[in-house]
Amino acid sequence: QKEVEQNSGPLSVPEGAIASLNCTYSDRGSQSFFWYRQYSGKSPELIMFIYSNGDKEDGRFTAQLNKASQYVSLLIRDSQPSDSATYLCAARRINNDMRFGAGTRLTVKP
Amino acid sequence: DTGVSQDPRHKITKRGQNVTFRCDPISEHNRLYWYRQTLGQGPEFLTYFQNEAQLEKSRLLSDRFSAERPKGSFSTLEIQRTEQGDSAMYLCASSSGEQPQHFGDGTRLSIL
Repeated sequence: QKEVEQNSGPLSVPEGAIASLNCTYSDRGSQSFFWYRQYSGKSPELIMFIYSNGDKEDGRFTAQLNKASQYVSLLIRDSQPSDSATYLCAARRINNDMRFGAGTRLTVKP
Repeated sequence: DTGVSQDPRHKITKRGQNVTFRCDPISEHNRLYWYRQTLGQGPEFLTYFQNEAQLEKSRLLSDRFSAERPKGSFSTLEIQRTEQGDSAMYLCASSSGEQPQHFGDGTRLSIL
């Protein structure tokens, strides 16, 4: 079992819709969680991070964390074609190393 | 504010050769991380430094790999006797304490 699991997709949503990306992790000692966006051929770019249970909103993005269920999600409201990318979920363990999922490829269709 | 800088951007070498990559972190960041990423996968943790101390090293990391951060600023990652399976993107990231990591553009390694 991978430490961080994501549905590889592709996930396709129409422009203006809500895109929902999900992630589960296995290490209960993980302290903090991150969402990165990666365009093809580029390096990961930080989108959101969340440390506490509940929701955290930043513009069109909302991160949700449920430590009891070991579940993290990212919602993208009013999806735009420019949001089309691979979204990487990462969990930072207590020893500070990060474990990444394989990513979910999102396509937003005009 | 300059970001994380990696050099070279692309390295092509023959199997069996040694290669060295350099990473310059964001200037005030005390933590520096190395990752490897292959197509269709997320970044795989290799090692990390806090200042000049190497605090974690992946158990998956072969003895052919070594990393240094001699003065707590830039870091180098060396791969000795490269193999076909070493072909990947090598990513460096840095952070300040517990803050999120920021990635450089990576070095793409191609083994002929």
